[in-house]
Amino acid sequence: QKEVEQDPGPLSVPEGAIVSLNCTYSNSAFQYFMWYRQYSRKGPELLMYTYSSGNKEDGRFTAQVDKSSKYISLFIRDSQPSDSATYLCAMSSNTNAGKSTFGDGTTLTVKP
Amino acid sequence: NAGVMQNPRHLVRRRGQEARLRCSPMKGHSHVYWYRQLPEEGLKFMVYLQKENIIDESGMPKERFSAEFPKEGPSILRIQQVVRGDSAAYFCASSSGAGEQFFGPGTRLTVL
Repeated sequence: QKEVEQDPGPLSVPEGAIVSLNCTYSNSAFQYFMWYRQYSRKGPELLMYTYSSGNKEDGRFTAQVDKSSKYISLFIRDSQPSDSATYLCAMSSNTNAGKSTFGDGTTLTVKP
Repeated sequence: NAGVMQNPRHLVRRRGQEARLRCSPMKGHSHVYWYRQLPEEGLKFMVYLQKENIIDESGMPKERFSAEFPKEGPSILRIQQVVRGDSAAYFCASSSGAGEQFFGPGTRLTVL
C-alpha cells in the first residue's frame, strides 16, 4: 500500500466550476502538507503549503487538512482554462522535513 | 532572482554510458533534493543533501547511482552504465531547511 493515495482522475470540468482534489495518507508522522501544480513537461510549482490540520486560503485556492481522517483536499474556485494541469499532493514528517512523499497526481482539464 | 536551475534540460545517452545531471539551488538555499518522475507517475524521492553531506539516500538505487553537493558548485546526480529503465524526468528541489521545496525545470533523460 502506498503511503499517499491520490484520486487518479483525469478530471474534466467546465470553466467556472469548483474543483475538489483529494489525497489520503497512512503515515501519521506527516505534519507538512503541500500541493503542487505541474504543467506538461515542466517542473512542479508550489501552490499551497500547510502545517498540521486546518484550512488555508490563497486567492481561488483553499487547502484543507484533516489529520484525524488522514485526508487533505485542494479546492479551486472559479476554475479557469489556465488551471488545466496535473496537481500533486505531497507531505513530509516533522523529523525530516526534507523528504517529501508525493501522490501520483490528478490531471485536471478546465474547458472554456 | 533565479530559481532552481538544472542542466541539461534534455540528455540522450546510449546504454552503458554515464549521465551527469546538474542542479544549482536557489540563492540562499543549502538543502537539495533529487526526485525521479516516470511517465504518468508522481515524483519519487531519491536523495537529500546539504553542502558536502548526504542526509538521506533511502530512495537511491543501490548500484550505479550517486549524488554529491560539493562546497562549491552545483549538486550532481550521476548515473553510471545507464539502462533503458533509467529514462525519466529527474527533478531537483531546494529549500532553506524550513520545509518548502522549490523545484527546477527538470532534466529529461532518454536512454537509447
